[in-house]
Amino acid sequence: GENVGLHLPTLSVQEGDNSIINCAYSNSASDYFIWYKQESGKGPQFIIDIRSNMDKRQGQRVTVLLNKTVKHLSLQIAATQPGDSAVYFCAENYSGSARQLTFGSGTQLTVLP
Amino acid sequence: DTEVTQTPKHLVMGMTNKKSLKCEQHMGHRAMYWYKQKAKKPPELMFVYSYEKLSINESVPSRFSPECPNSSLLNLHLHALQPEDSALYLCASSQDQTGVQDTQYFGPGTRLTVL
Repeated sequence: GENVGLHLPTLSVQEGDNSIINCAYSNSASDYFIWYKQESGKGPQFIIDIRSNMDKRQGQRVTVLLNKTVKHLSLQIAATQPGDSAVYFCAENYSGSARQLTFGSGTQLTVLP
Repeated sequence: DTEVTQTPKHLVMGMTNKKSLKCEQHMGHRAMYWYKQKAKKPPELMFVYSYEKLSINESVPSRFSPECPNSSLLNLHLHALQPEDSALYLCASSQDQTGVQDTQYFGPGTRLTVL
């Protein structure tokens, strides 16, 4: 499944399929990006980050892709599991304001059995 | 260990009450943050402390008063709140190394209801 982030805030995928969550960021000067997962009733949990000198970074079952030309960030989750159901937020930061994250509006991922 | 703890987990208070939210981290982080999060919205930054000094106040009403007693603790004192202040209050921390952007780690939040 694929989602356009800010414009389609929900994404449903079948268990076992790959998920792609997209995020269009706003500041062309942003050079650090984070994906957070937030389950219902919990705080945001760090998933993976990427700096602007990279265009791809892989973690365990997750991959983040960065396209600076079009200011686009995506999170790919392989073999999506029921425990992946959550809201996913992208966040951007630029070195001129290192402590201030700007969050995207979030995407609700629902994994169907 | 990337744990940030917050107490209480839930809080219900009247508009005339005074209460405090507490946050603690033992990761040696020198920046600590308060965020407010409404349902189905992203977190909104309220305050940032760096090396126990307030460095950012995002024009938050004075009925919210932050305090950083030491590098591991962060409090948020609440007084004369309004029902619209009901939200999830999140604490976060980061290393705050000079010239390096680093990850903010969040606590579980305090669910606040103002009656």
